[in-house]
Amino acid sequence: AQSVTQPDIHITVSEGASLELRCNYSYGATPYLFWYVQSPGQGLQLLLKYFSGDTLVQGIKGFEAEFKRSQSSFNLRKPSVHWSDAAEYFCAVGSKAAGNKLTFGGGTRVLVKP
Amino acid sequence: GAVVSQHPSRVICKSGTSVKIECRSLDFQATTMFWYRQFPKKSLMLMATSNEGSKATYEQGVEKDKFLINHASLTLSTLTVTSAHPEDSSFYICSAVRDRVDTIYFGEGSWLTVV
Repeated sequence: AQSVTQPDIHITVSEGASLELRCNYSYGATPYLFWYVQSPGQGLQLLLKYFSGDTLVQGIKGFEAEFKRSQSSFNLRKPSVHWSDAAEYFCAVGSKAAGNKLTFGGGTRVLVKP
Repeated sequence: GAVVSQHPSRVICKSGTSVKIECRSLDFQATTMFWYRQFPKKSLMLMATSNEGSKATYEQGVEKDKFLINHASLTLSTLTVTSAHPEDSSFYICSAVRDRVDTIYFGEGSWLTVV
């Protein structure tokens, strides 16, 4: 069975500082990995995804993530956060073998200080 | 633009009534769609897999008689919450798989409030 852990429930970062959100997954085969962002009262927006190929993935809004198979991780990074980045971030894992079902991590809430 | 559309985005219904939520793939055919539920301040949990032309596959613990799923066409899946109760109040979101590109798209989600 696939599972996802986001160790940090909350992260507070100053505007302009860098941000890294951790995601660890458990899955036997090659997973599909996703990062989504959800603003309060809103739906999910896909930031980026990894299916195969280059392990450093560029996404929207200046985000990137790196797939590290040896560490079973897919951490999300942004060099300089903006106040509008305050939101809930979800890491998710899926696979064709699992019928394209996604398993989500518990989420990390990001607060941005002025 | 959105490639998966959900409707309604927000709905309030009275206890005991039923409410239907639609999930449409707008420019592709989706043989498989998924329904997820998100409790307040929680993560998303898969409820069921909706398969076009066949019965939905429900995850453990999800009441199939309460959450009716119909995937009548390659572009439409519906979730009907029957005899709704306040504890059914939640954010429901669907996703559709675009087979040829192995891409998963999410709808905008539907906020259900049962009063």
